[in-house]
Amino acid sequence: ETGVTQTPRHLVMGMTNKKSLKCEQHLGHNAMYWYKQSAKKPLELMFVYSLEERVENNSVPSRFSPECPNSSHLFLHLHTLQPEDSALYLCASSQLDAPISGYTFGSGTRLTVV
Amino acid sequence: QKEVEQNSGPLSVPEGAIASLNCTYSDRGSQSFFWYRQYSGKSPELIMSIYSNGDKEDGRFTAQLNKASQYVSLLIRDSQPSDSATYLCAVMGGAQKLVFGQGTRLTINP
Repeated sequence: ETGVTQTPRHLVMGMTNKKSLKCEQHLGHNAMYWYKQSAKKPLELMFVYSLEERVENNSVPSRFSPECPNSSHLFLHLHTLQPEDSALYLCASSQLDAPISGYTFGSGTRLTVV
Repeated sequence: QKEVEQNSGPLSVPEGAIASLNCTYSDRGSQSFFWYRQYSGKSPELIMSIYSNGDKEDGRFTAQLNKASQYVSLLIRDSQPSDSATYLCAVMGGAQKLVFGQGTRLTINP
């Protein structure tokens, strides 16, 4: 496996369900991110983990709960979501001391809340 | 004012011509600038990065940065139908957070 992998690729869930998105990076990076991409809106940064510590939470509702057990894995736990939470959720990673390298994105999870 | 602004398009360019994509940003402290390409249904892919004023060339792509005008652009020479995608401008500030524009949808017509 190379790069950043996300599972599942697609997820349909009811508003009362609990599910988790998983992200794994194989690049040796020390920072990981969750972004939300909705139609006709810019990518929205949700959470930042730097050296496994959460350093950013951009006013994201508590129904989204991130977890970073180590520098290679990142989860996004979902519960009691709303239909407007349907979007593409992208995980990314980067090396903090090499900012010019930018972020590397996973393939994303297409989430539909019904 | 949005932090990173792009014309959402669509921008239509004939095959073989030069496609010019533009982006402005509001944070004067921004250090690094990126262009990502995103095909429909796929994730963003980094194609160019730049941090010094002037031009940076990589194959058919040229990134241009003007920090005084807070402006960054991407030129695609000899445009191909496979260049049809949404191009995302991203800006990194002092906190090393990457902020994206809404993207410009580019169509290359054969």
